Amino acid sequence: DADVTQTPRNRITKTGKRIMLECSQTKGHDRMYWYRQDPGLGLRLIYYSFDVKDINKGEISDGYSVSRQAQAKFSLSLESAIPNQTALYFCATSDQHGGHSYNEQFFGPGTRLTVL
Amino acid sequence: QKEVEQNSGPLSVPEGAIASLNCTYSDRVSQSFFWYRQYSGKSPELIMSIYSNGDKEDGRFTAQLNKASQYVSLLIRDSQPSDSATYLCAVRGSGGGADGLTFGKGTHLIIQP
Repeated sequence: DADVTQTPRNRITKTGKRIMLECSQTKGHDRMYWYRQDPGLGLRLIYYSFDVKDINKGEISDGYSVSRQAQAKFSLSLESAIPNQTALYFCATSDQHGGHSYNEQFFGPGTRLTVL
Repeated sequence: QKEVEQNSGPLSVPEGAIASLNCTYSDRVSQSFFWYRQYSGKSPELIMSIYSNGDKEDGRFTAQLNKASQYVSLLIRDSQPSDSATYLCAVRGSGGGADGLTFGKGTHLIIQP
């Protein structure tokens, strides 16, 4: 079974619709992240969370919100989707314990989102 | 603004040769450095991490770090066609409340059989 899962894997929606992308992990990690990947722009950080009470904005948080429902679950919402939010979205996790290894991030399979 | 620069390629290397991938970063206080491999349409897969100046070897992979020059490299020995992928360099800063990784745009590596 995959350690980090994302649902849905693919989604096509229309401008103005509310969309939620979900991420679950069985790695027991405390930290979770949301990134988006665009051709030519690489991976960029949207939000990250150190635990259920600690949510932080990343480089490109405008137009997005997140919810950390439990240690294992971290959801990303687009309140009113727009076409330039079309991208590949990845969830990642890392462990806050254990010296340098806590920096290592492990990625889910991704969600391909298309906003028409 | 933290920046991580990589040559986008494509970098073409014959099978069995050494592939050399390079990365520079702008934030002098960066502490942690990573190489990820990403196949087309798939998620990034961590292959190497390095935190201290010098070389770190793991199988066919060697990561090299020079903090004075703000330079990280990845060597792949005995390159195989299955090594053909995009390689992402990622850097984590010194903390100060910020987490997450800053990624380069990746180098597309092609191993020619």
